[in-house]
Amino acid sequence: DAGVIQSPRHEVTEMGQEVTLRCKPISGHNSLFWYRQTMMRGLELLIYFNNNVPIDDSGMPEDRFSAKMPNASFSTLKIQPSEPRDSAVYFCASKFGLETGANVLTFGAGSRLTVL
Amino acid sequence: AQKVTQAQTEISVVEKEDVTLDCVYETRDTTYYLFWYKQPPSGELVFLIRRNSFDEQNEISGRYSWNFQKSTSSFNFTITASQVVDSAVYFCALSDQNAGNMLTFGGGTRLMVKP
Repeated sequence: DAGVIQSPRHEVTEMGQEVTLRCKPISGHNSLFWYRQTMMRGLELLIYFNNNVPIDDSGMPEDRFSAKMPNASFSTLKIQPSEPRDSAVYFCASKFGLETGANVLTFGAGSRLTVL
Repeated sequence: AQKVTQAQTEISVVEKEDVTLDCVYETRDTTYYLFWYKQPPSGELVFLIRRNSFDEQNEISGRYSWNFQKSTSSFNFTITASQVVDSAVYFCALSDQNAGNMLTFGGGTRLMVKP
């Protein structure tokens, strides 16, 4: 298996622009998570899906952030409009099942976003 | 509320030294899982180990070992005979039913192993 695949790996954009980050989870995994990593706040859970349905988006910082999962093999995290404080590494992760904490979360390589 | 504390933000050792990374957790659940992840300079998060709350046996995997003590709510990670390739940020994480089995991470410990 190729693991969790994220794109782009690096994105540099200007304030006000729309940013779309993409994720392909591991085949067979039915839970998908978006995390953000910054120096100040560490790893934060933004939103997670189970069977393509958003379960908890309480970690999404603002209305400028939105996430979708149109099917089992694809998810997007969109920021519109982007701001410099959104600069961070965004990780997508997936696992099988949501009802138990035993299953291991597998992370993608991350998308490093820089907003100028 | 669940919480994971890694008090050591940065540790520097010389190659071949042993080093222990501390992790203290808080949870109200009796059933929970503890994890360690490694984040090397390349940036990805790599799973190292998972432990459930009913298994307090220590685990050893090569130069890595983990000490789980429920009495002190700790899940410490020891690297024996450290190597330069061990340089990374290490994260401890907790998953419990009270938080919907979501993974909560500690702040991470940056380990620098010097030659």
